[in-house]
Amino acid sequence: ETGVTQTPRHLVMGMTNKKSLKCEQHLGHNAMYWYKQSAKKPLELMFVYSLEERVENNSVPSRFSPECPNSSHLFLHLHTLQPEDSALYLCASSQALSSGRGEQYFGPGTRLTVT
Amino acid sequence: QKEVEQNSGPLSVPEGAIASLNCTYSDRGSQSFFWYRQYSGKSPELIMFIYSNGDKEDGRFTAQLNKASQYVSLLIRDSQPSDSATYLCAVTGGSYIPTFGRGTSLIVHP
Repeated sequence: ETGVTQTPRHLVMGMTNKKSLKCEQHLGHNAMYWYKQSAKKPLELMFVYSLEERVENNSVPSRFSPECPNSSHLFLHLHTLQPEDSALYLCASSQALSSGRGEQYFGPGTRLTVT
Repeated sequence: QKEVEQNSGPLSVPEGAIASLNCTYSDRGSQSFFWYRQYSGKSPELIMFIYSNGDKEDGRFTAQLNKASQYVSLLIRDSQPSDSATYLCAVTGGSYIPTFGRGTSLIVHP
């Protein structure tokens, strides 16, 4: 595997379900990000981890819960979602924020549909 | 509030022409500047980054940065229909967390 991978690629879940999105990066990076992209809307930054510490949480509802067990893996745990949470969820990685190298590499995304 | 502004377009250019995409930013302390290409239904792909004033060329792409005027542009020479996509500008400042613009849709017609 190379680059940034995300699983699953597509997910349909009911509002009462609990699911998790997984992201893995094989680039030796130390910062990882979750973004939400709704149809015809710009990228929305959700969470940022650098060196496994959360450094940004952009007023995201508590029904989204991130987890970064190590610098290569990032999870987004989902529970009791709403239909408006249906979107493309993108994971990205970069060098550690302190490096000043902000080039991000994105995974292919998980297309989430909440019914 | 740090802002990154892009004209949403669409910008339509004929095949073989130069496409010019522009981005302005509000944070005068911004340090790093990036251009991403995003095809419909796909994830963004990094195509250029620039840190210093002036031009940076990579193949058919040229990024131009003017910190005094707070803008960064992307030129695509010899545009091809395969260049049709949304181009996202991103800027980082002291926190090193990128702020993205809304993107400019580019259409290259044969």
